[in-house]
Amino acid sequence: AQTVTQSQPEMSVQEAETVTLSCTYDTSENNYYLFWYKQPPSRQMILVIRQEAYKQQNATENRFSVNFQKAAKSFSLKISDSQLGDTAMYFCAFMKPSHGSSNTGKLIFGQGTTLQVKP
Amino acid sequence: DAGVTQSPTHLIKTRGQQVTLRCSPISGHKSVSWYQQVLGQGPQFIFQYYEKEERGRGNFPDRFSARQFPNYSSELNVNALLLGDSALYLCASSLIGAGGYEQYFGPGTRLTVT
Repeated sequence: AQTVTQSQPEMSVQEAETVTLSCTYDTSENNYYLFWYKQPPSRQMILVIRQEAYKQQNATENRFSVNFQKAAKSFSLKISDSQLGDTAMYFCAFMKPSHGSSNTGKLIFGQGTTLQVKP
Repeated sequence: DAGVTQSPTHLIKTRGQQVTLRCSPISGHKSVSWYQQVLGQGPQFIFQYYEKEERGRGNFPDRFSARQFPNYSSELNVNALLLGDSALYLCASSLIGAGGYEQYFGPGTRLTVT
């Protein structure tokens, strides 16, 4: 079974600084998808960034980028120029590719990392 | 366009009761998934429905059931509520049920069982 581990329960960063959130996962699949989701306090979960395992190039979305190390099964999120609005709980998630009609679209989440951006 | 909507926002039930949670996906999305998020933890997958058929089920007891309607909206039912069922229940919709497609989450229903 696939598992996702986020070893940093809480982190803090000064506004405008850079912070990296860690995520490791375990799978025997060769093709899969990885995601980072952001859940602000009392607000709904939104997708930050996604990575397809077959792509060697690391995904980037504005101030957000990932360091995807497939062999090490590591998928970290780097937030540059941190802003107060980045304060949220961040979840790393794994999704298997489709295999017929079984378990399609199931997200497996880590425990989350609470990020506090300080002014 | 409206995002994923869920109702009710909050719900308080007593142990042993039954509850129905509702979800409307983004227009055009045919897949709906349900997740349970206990406070301070990551969401846990409960069900996925695509084109009105169950496509995936997580490790939850038979007290949990769901269905998807012809308009692609969905209901999650929980019978014989336990204190441990207290959680935020999230609904997510995606265009199709295949792996890799982005899931858009609703605001959730906060269920408290007393």
